[in-house]
Amino acid sequence: ELKVEQNPLFLSMQEGKNYTIYCNYSTTSDRLYWYRQDPGKSLESLFVLLSNGAVKQEGRLMASLDTKARLSTLHITAAVHDLSATYFCAVVRGNEKLTFGTGTRLTIIP
Amino acid sequence: EAGVAQSPRYKIIEKRQSVAFWCNPISGHATLYWYQQILGQGPKLLIQFQNNGVVDDSQLPKDRFSAERLKGVDSTLKIQPAKLEDSAVYLCASSSDGYEQYFGPGTRLTVT
Repeated sequence: ELKVEQNPLFLSMQEGKNYTIYCNYSTTSDRLYWYRQDPGKSLESLFVLLSNGAVKQEGRLMASLDTKARLSTLHITAAVHDLSATYFCAVVRGNEKLTFGTGTRLTIIP
Repeated sequence: EAGVAQSPRYKIIEKRQSVAFWCNPISGHATLYWYQQILGQGPKLLIQFQNNGVVDDSQLPKDRFSAERLKGVDSTLKIQPAKLEDSAVYLCASSSDGYEQYFGPGTRLTVT
């Protein structure tokens, strides 16, 4: 069974600082997704990573994938308050279902 | 382009009552998903439809949950009878290619 773990589960950081969220998964996969969820809202897709070494960036967020280590990271650069949300990674293997991690609740403190 | 629509947005029921949720996917999307998201956890797939056929319902508690997508467009998810542990947000998503899923706003269910 595919398992996806994220850490940390909770993260408070000051504006302007950098930090990284980690996503580990238990078996080989074909695609890895990062989603953002604001309180009481639905999931917004941020990135899709397909291959080893893939790196994608959007604004202050950068995601990378190491398929050999079964690890993805979501790096936040110079955090701003608007980035406060819960971030999920999710993994797909073949035609199987999307399996989500537990989420990282990020709070940016002014 | 309109997104995935869900109703109701909120529902409060007592245990042992029944409840139904409705989802209208993005036009033209053949694949529809229902997820359960318990507070503090990631979404868990309950059932996946391809047009009006079931692709995966392995995590659907079939003794109390049922879902249908009769005309290959709208879908309903029903719980009967509800238990306290069914309190969660029920998310509907749709996809045209199975690669990218688009999520609706969800229905927050509270069972008392």
